[in-house]
Amino acid sequence: ETGVTQTPRHLVMGMTNKKSLKCEQHLGHNAMYWYKQSAKKPLELMFVYSLEERVENNSVPSRFSPECPNSSHLFLHLHTLQPEDSALYLCASTQGHSTAVYGYTFGSGTRLTVV
Amino acid sequence: EDQVTQSPEALRLQEGESSSLNCSYTVSGLRGLFWYRQDPGKGPEFLFTLYSAGEEKEKERLKATLTKKESFLHITAPKPEDSATYLCAVQAHYGGSQGNLIFGKGTKLSVKP
Repeated sequence: ETGVTQTPRHLVMGMTNKKSLKCEQHLGHNAMYWYKQSAKKPLELMFVYSLEERVENNSVPSRFSPECPNSSHLFLHLHTLQPEDSALYLCASTQGHSTAVYGYTFGSGTRLTVV
Repeated sequence: EDQVTQSPEALRLQEGESSSLNCSYTVSGLRGLFWYRQDPGKGPEFLFTLYSAGEEKEKERLKATLTKKESFLHITAPKPEDSATYLCAVQAHYGGSQGNLIFGKGTKLSVKP
């Protein structure tokens, strides 16, 4: 257990479904991130929240919608996904977005399969 | 554009056979270079941060070094439990990706007994 908890661990959804991924950290960090990890590709940054405000949206399709209700929780709402969206979705947190002196602490990820 | 390239893509070693992984980078002013370890089905686990050329850090059988263009992760006398994917990432002072970690594709290390 790293201090960053992601649920669910596995998710299979149809292209017309709506689902949400949840991330929770109790490390006292003030920045949280969503990354997408696909086979043979580098981790792709999707969204950054610093002090509960979104500071980055890396040209992510609107079918992905993030929400950060407080500094401990982060959600990724999913709707009308495509098969190419199947991947491991990782949440991470750190203290101080612009410095990340101690690196990011990652959760174990949600393995998403779109059918 | 900030970029990270890791080599080799995959590395197979015998237990006790020392080797090095490479991370080459181009970045608009390096704030920090990070090494992570990732086991199958898990998120990356932080190993080291390096800030300036010439810096070195060690942890058990791992030693990370940094130059102005690349970083090496040296693995001395590896054991099967060192098998994992090792990720390198950089953080820039300036530019469009300022503050964000930019990752390489990783090196998958397999250590056979």
